[in-house]
Amino acid sequence: AQTVTQSQPEMSVQEAETVTLSCTYDTSESDYYLFWYKQPPSRQMILVIRQEAYKQQNATENRFSVNFQKAAKSFSLKISDSQLGDAAMYFCAYRRDGSSNTGKLIFGQGTTLQVKP
Amino acid sequence: DAMVIQNPRYQVTQFGKPVTLSCSQTLNHNVMYWYQQKSSQAPKLLFHYYDKDFNNEADTPDNFQSRRPNTSFCFLDIRSPGLGDAAMYLCATSRGGLMNTEAFFGQGTRLTVV
Repeated sequence: AQTVTQSQPEMSVQEAETVTLSCTYDTSESDYYLFWYKQPPSRQMILVIRQEAYKQQNATENRFSVNFQKAAKSFSLKISDSQLGDAAMYFCAYRRDGSSNTGKLIFGQGTTLQVKP
Repeated sequence: DAMVIQNPRYQVTQFGKPVTLSCSQTLNHNVMYWYQQKSSQAPKLLFHYYDKDFNNEADTPDNFQSRRPNTSFCFLDIRSPGLGDAAMYLCATSRGGLMNTEAFFGQGTRLTVV
């Protein structure tokens, strides 16, 4: 069975600084997707960034980028130029790939990010 | 805008009194999911529908049921809510199969059991 682990329950960063959230996962499959989702307080969960396992290039979305290390099964999220609106709970998630894929997500425990003005 | 809508946002129910949460989507996605998220924890998948096919997770209690009368709507029924069922319930959708997109989430329904 696949598992996702986020070892940092809480992180804090100064506004405009950079922070990295860690995620490791375990799977025996070769094709899969990894995601970072953001869940602000009392608001819906939204996708921050996704990474296809077959791609060697790390995904980037504006101020958000990942460091995907497939052999090490590591998938960290870097937030540059942190903004107050980045404060939220961040979930790392895993999803299988392939024609039988139902899109089921396996989530890590989450990391609460505090951004200090 | 296409989206996933959950009603109500907040639901208070009495211990043991059946309750239904609803979810609708305008994305025309094949798959609809129900996740349970307890305070400051990871969402846990209860079950999902792939089109009309219902897929229950092995550890989902029998107390939880679901219905999907059409592509757009999906309901979560809790037959006899206990205090331990108080949680945020998240509905999500995605396309299935090879064209699977990322999951889109609703705002959630926060269930309180009194």
